[in-house]
Amino acid sequence: EPEVTQTPSHQVTQMGQEVILRCVPISNHLYFYWYRQILGQKVEFLVSFYNNEISEKSEIFDDQFSVERPDGSNFTLKIRSTKLEDSAMYFCASSVNSGQPQHFGDGTRLSIL
Amino acid sequence: GNSVTQMEGPVTLSEEAFLTINCTYTATGYPSLFWYVQYPGEGLQLLLKATKADDKGSNKGFEATYRKETTSFHLEKGSVQVSDSAVYFCALSDFGSEKLVFGKGTKLTVNP
Repeated sequence: EPEVTQTPSHQVTQMGQEVILRCVPISNHLYFYWYRQILGQKVEFLVSFYNNEISEKSEIFDDQFSVERPDGSNFTLKIRSTKLEDSAMYFCASSVNSGQPQHFGDGTRLSIL
Repeated sequence: GNSVTQMEGPVTLSEEAFLTINCTYTATGYPSLFWYVQYPGEGLQLLLKATKADDKGSNKGFEATYRKETTSFHLEKGSVQVSDSAVYFCALSDFGSEKLVFGKGTKLTVNP
């Protein structure tokens, strides 16, 4: 069964550094998403992406965050200058179309030191 | 704003016991409702969904009914197995929005 893959599984970065989290969505899916889960808290929506642009974003997704689909397969989340509070599990998801079930990757655990 | 509240865990049951995990929601529109499951070391997997009032979602012996009058979507299973041990998340998406709003998750442990 096709799946969403995320790399790396664990990323450790110094505060203030830039980090890029990578995702390969399911190949025929058109909608892409990022969520995060801070330890002990809820899974929170960050952003959705369709047709090469952001379709919806949360208030968490401020100017230090950006997303990109640099080629036909990858979908990336960049955090420009990381803060301690960015430490979380980041999940990528994709869906075949609007309103269809979202399929999640296994997540990248981001630790900011 | 929209929100989901689910019962705090952890929940520990013996094999073949009956499971209920409560979930209630607050939404301004007419949301779709979901249960996701996360097995250890894995991502979130869609377990079941319901898109309108009185719909019943079901999968792998799990069921949940969309109750508009009580704004609830409780997850039930008649006889749990050790392999059902996981974290269960209730979620909603409102009409016209792509984002999923999740509850905090309930960890279920089933002992043999």
